[in-house]
This record gives sequence, structure tokens and C-alpha cells, in this order.
Amino acid sequence: AQSVTQPDIHITVSEGASLELRCNYSYGATPYLFWYVQSPGQGLQLLLKYFSGDTLVQGIKGFEAEFKRSQSSFNLRKPSVHWSDAAEYFCAVARYSSASKIIFGSGTRLSIRP
Amino acid sequence: SQTIHQWPATLVQPVGSPLSLECTVEGTSNPNLYWYRQAAGRGLQLLFYSVGIGQISSEVPQNLSASRPQDRQFILSSKKLLLSDSGFYLCAWSVPTLGLAGGYGANVLTFGAGSRLTVL
Repeated sequence: AQSVTQPDIHITVSEGASLELRCNYSYGATPYLFWYVQSPGQGLQLLLKYFSGDTLVQGIKGFEAEFKRSQSSFNLRKPSVHWSDAAEYFCAVARYSSASKIIFGSGTRLSIRP
Repeated sequence: SQTIHQWPATLVQPVGSPLSLECTVEGTSNPNLYWYRQAAGRGLQLLFYSVGIGQISSEVPQNLSASRPQDRQFILSSKKLLLSDSGFYLCAWSVPTLGLAGGYGANVLTFGAGSRLTVL
């Protein structure tokens, strides 16, 4: 069955520090991959997506993610976090064979230390 | 431009009562439509999705059902609510696309504001 794992429930980083949020999926072939962010009191917003091509994708707000087929991972990174990045981050996956079915991970809550 | 409306925003219902949450999309045709439930620590759980009128795929074998009576309307229902149905329900839509491997493709989801359901 298709599944998405975000192993870190809660991460705290200092403002200005680098960030990496992990996402792993269980699906043999290359899937469609997404990262969404849910800020306090706001709806879910797309940060970036990967469908094909260059495995390093750039998103909004200075985020990037790298697709690694060998590790079945799509980790989200940011070189220097800002206090406004405090939010919940969700990785999502869809299989090529049933691409309308989009599955989300359990999320990682990011807190920023001043 | 496209907009998505979801209501009611907040709902408090007794156990055993029925449920109806409604979602409509404006400014697009034949969207893919989704219902997700968000519970603390469990992320977004896909409940139902639809690629067209009368085409509903169910991911959750519980006492919830979904219907798509019109192209841009998606309704989540229950005949008898359980305590475990409490949560934050999100409707979403996407533009249907052709898949890279044929068939349907995946696309960016646009979410509604959500409906918070408390079952007492």
C-alpha cells in the first residue's frame, strides 16, 4: 500500500539555522511528490512539487527539496530559517498509476527558537 | 479566479446524529474533489476523492459517505456520528491533468478553510 512517513513529529531550530525535514515514501516507482505548509490559523499552502526532471526543486519562501530515488526520500530544506517559518509541514505523495489519490504524511511541527 | 467554499465552519453534534458537510468550487469545470480529515498527530487522512460526477473513491471504511451531485459540489455525510468522527475536515480540489505514465495525473491541491466537527 502507498504510504508516506515523516519520522519527526516536532523539530525545534534556532532562527538563522539550517533546516531539513524528512519524508520517505513506500512505492517502487517514482511518484508525484509535494510539500505543503500549514501556518497557525491559515490554510494549507503548496511549498513545492516534484513530477519529473531535475531532482532538486525550488519552492516558495526559500525552501527546496531533493528527490532521491535510491532512498525513497523527498526531504525539505532551508538554509536559514525565519521565525515566520514556524508551522506544520506535510509531505504528500501520489502514485503514477493512481495519481488522483494523494496521500499525506503525519506532518512535522516546526518551532523556531529566538 | 477559482474559489472553494466549505461549510459549516464549526459544528457540534451529539453522538448518533447525522452529518452533512458541503463543499463547492467556483471558476473551474470538472475538478478533482477531495475530503480529508485532520486529527492531532495523524496528519491529513484521505477520506474520499472524486474525478467526476458519480465517481467516488473511498479510502475509509467507516460510517462516512460522500456524494458528488453536481460537477463542483462535494458532500460528506454520515447517518450516525461516532465520537471518533470528531476532527477537522478539509475539502480540496485540483485541476485534472494527464498523467506522465498515462491516465490521470496528480496536481496541486487547493484547500478550503475547513470544518471543525466536535461530536459529544
